Amino acid sequence: EDQVTQSPEALRLQEGESSSLNCSYTVSGLRGLFWYRQDPGKGPEFLFTLYSAGEEKEKERLKATLTKKESFLHITAPKPEDSATYLCAVQGYSNYQLIWGAGTKLIIKP
Amino acid sequence: DTEVTQTPKHLVMGMTNKKSLKCEQHMGHRAMYWYKQKAKKPPELMFVYSYEKLSINESVPSRFSPECPNSSLLNLHLHALQPEDSALYLCASSQEAGLSYNEQFFGPGTRLTVL
Repeated sequence: EDQVTQSPEALRLQEGESSSLNCSYTVSGLRGLFWYRQDPGKGPEFLFTLYSAGEEKEKERLKATLTKKESFLHITAPKPEDSATYLCAVQGYSNYQLIWGAGTKLIIKP
Repeated sequence: DTEVTQTPKHLVMGMTNKKSLKCEQHMGHRAMYWYKQKAKKPPELMFVYSYEKLSINESVPSRFSPECPNSSLLNLHLHALQPEDSALYLCASSQEAGLSYNEQFFGPGTRLTVL
């Protein structure tokens, strides 16, 4: 069964304190892994798509990496405005619907 | 322009009311989606339209009725809802639906409260 697990559930960091969020997945053939950011009461904002192991993508303070079993979202020197819930989703070859993780709530304290 | 718009932003309705949610995209995408999201949960797929035809209905109760008037517009008609239907309703679009990569772009959502 296709499954996505995100950890930790919540992460509190001081401004400038770098860290990583984890997205572990099991899927029968990975077509794509997607990272989104969601602010409270708003729709998810697309961040990255990763297709194959070894791929990396960067945007400002965020860097996403992918292995055959998991993806990491690295956040470097975060700022309070990076506070949000970060969602990971995968799409497999057998089912084109997105399988979502429960998200990691990131809180950056000034 | 990676924008999906939704109206209204907020909606309060009684259980006997009929209302509609609207969604619009101008990215030339051929797939559009309705999701329901409860607090602290990921989005839950409700419907998928591909080339203006309903391709997926995730066993959604008939009190939710989707409509796709054209490739840019998506509506969700609501009737006789229950308080447990209160949630954030999200519209999304992607280039294609089906067995191709499925990068979806979301609208801001409609916060629905059923009294």
